[in-house]
Amino acid sequence: EDKVVQSPLSLVVHEGDTVTLNCSYEVTNFRSLLWYKQEKKAPTFLFMLTSSGIEKKSGRLSSILDKKELSSILNITATQTGDSAIYLCAVEAEDRGSTLGRLYFGRGTQLTVWP
Amino acid sequence: NAGVMQNPRHLVRRRGQEARLRCSPMKGHSHVYWYRQLPEEGLKFMVYLQKENIIDESGMPKERFSAEFPKEGPSILRIQQVVRGDSAAYFCASSPRRRGTEGYTFGSGTRLTVV
Repeated sequence: EDKVVQSPLSLVVHEGDTVTLNCSYEVTNFRSLLWYKQEKKAPTFLFMLTSSGIEKKSGRLSSILDKKELSSILNITATQTGDSAIYLCAVEAEDRGSTLGRLYFGRGTQLTVWP
Repeated sequence: NAGVMQNPRHLVRRRGQEARLRCSPMKGHSHVYWYRQLPEEGLKFMVYLQKENIIDESGMPKERFSAEFPKEGPSILRIQQVVRGDSAAYFCASSPRRRGTEGYTFGSGTRLTVV
């Protein structure tokens, strides 16, 4: 069965710390890997990664995909209390006969940033 | 641009009743996906629809669950004769026919509680 595993499940840090969140996957017909941030509402899109070794950056967040190791990391530097959320990793698989695929989600990493 | 709209935000049903969850995709999006998030679990794919077509329903329970995306109006996820195990958060996502690098856009979810 296809699966996506995130670690750690929970992380507590202080403002200013740097964190690394991990995601590994075993999904057939891999198409892309996506990161989302979920607060008490809709998961919001962070990154989509399709190519190995190319870092994507957005402000203090960055992410990279390693297709050989079937994994990705999400880095957050100089964390702020507003970064507290659940970070979801999802892998998109090709869907038979369709241009778009379904997403397989990990359980998420609950990040708490203390002031 | 209102984003993906789901309603109701919270829904309470007694065992045996029917639950109807609605999802209006983002303007310009023709693809809708439903996911279910059980307590302590990641989001699980249920069904993928285009207008008037079910593309992939491999994640839907075989009984009591159905989904539609009519030519006019929102997508509906219907759960008949609800049981306590149906209590979960149900998320809808949408995407355009040709998805770029922006990922899928999620709604804020409907939290179903079966009492």
